[in-house]
Amino acid sequence: AQTVTQSQPEMSVQEAETVTLSCTYDTSENNYYLFWYKQPPSRQMILVIRQEAYKQQNATENRFSVNFQKAAKSFSLKISDSQLGDTAMYFCAFLGGGADGLTFGKGTHLIIQP
Amino acid sequence: EPEVTQTPSHQVTQMGQEVILRCVPISNHLYFYWYRQILGQKVEFLVSFYNNEISEKSEIFDDQFSVERPDGSNFTLKIRSTKLEDSAMYFCASTRHHSSIQYFGAGTRLSVL
Repeated sequence: AQTVTQSQPEMSVQEAETVTLSCTYDTSENNYYLFWYKQPPSRQMILVIRQEAYKQQNATENRFSVNFQKAAKSFSLKISDSQLGDTAMYFCAFLGGGADGLTFGKGTHLIIQP
Repeated sequence: EPEVTQTPSHQVTQMGQEVILRCVPISNHLYFYWYRQILGQKVEFLVSFYNNEISEKSEIFDDQFSVERPDGSNFTLKIRSTKLEDSAMYFCASTRHHSSIQYFGAGTRLSVL
């Protein structure tokens, strides 16, 4: 079974700073997908970014980018120029091995301080 | 932009009662999912549904749970004889293709008293 580990329960940075959230996973699969979801206080799950394992290029979405290290099974999220609205829980998720359901990590609570 | 819609946003029920949580997936999506998030914990997969049948279910999805797509738009999760530990946020998600992005609804908060 796949596992996803987020080792930082909580992080706090100042507005406009860059922050990196870590995620590692364990799988024996070669083809899979990785995601970062954001969950603000409203508790809605919002997709931030998606990475396909067969693509070597790191995914980027505006201020959000990932550092995907397949050999190390690492998938960190970098948020540049952080904004107050980035305050939320961030979940790393894995999809692969023929499974339908996403496997989520325990999340990192990110707090952006004014 | 199309979105997944869930109703109600908050459901309060007495222990032992049956509840039905409703979801309207994005209209051209083919795969539907239910997830659960107990307060303060991670999101857990319950079940996936494709082509009018369950495609995969987790250990959590026991005989107490059932899913149905009663018409062309709704996707429901029924919980029979609710227990206190069923209190959680329940998320519906849908996707057009397997392995594509799963789009989540805003969730239904279930409180079992």
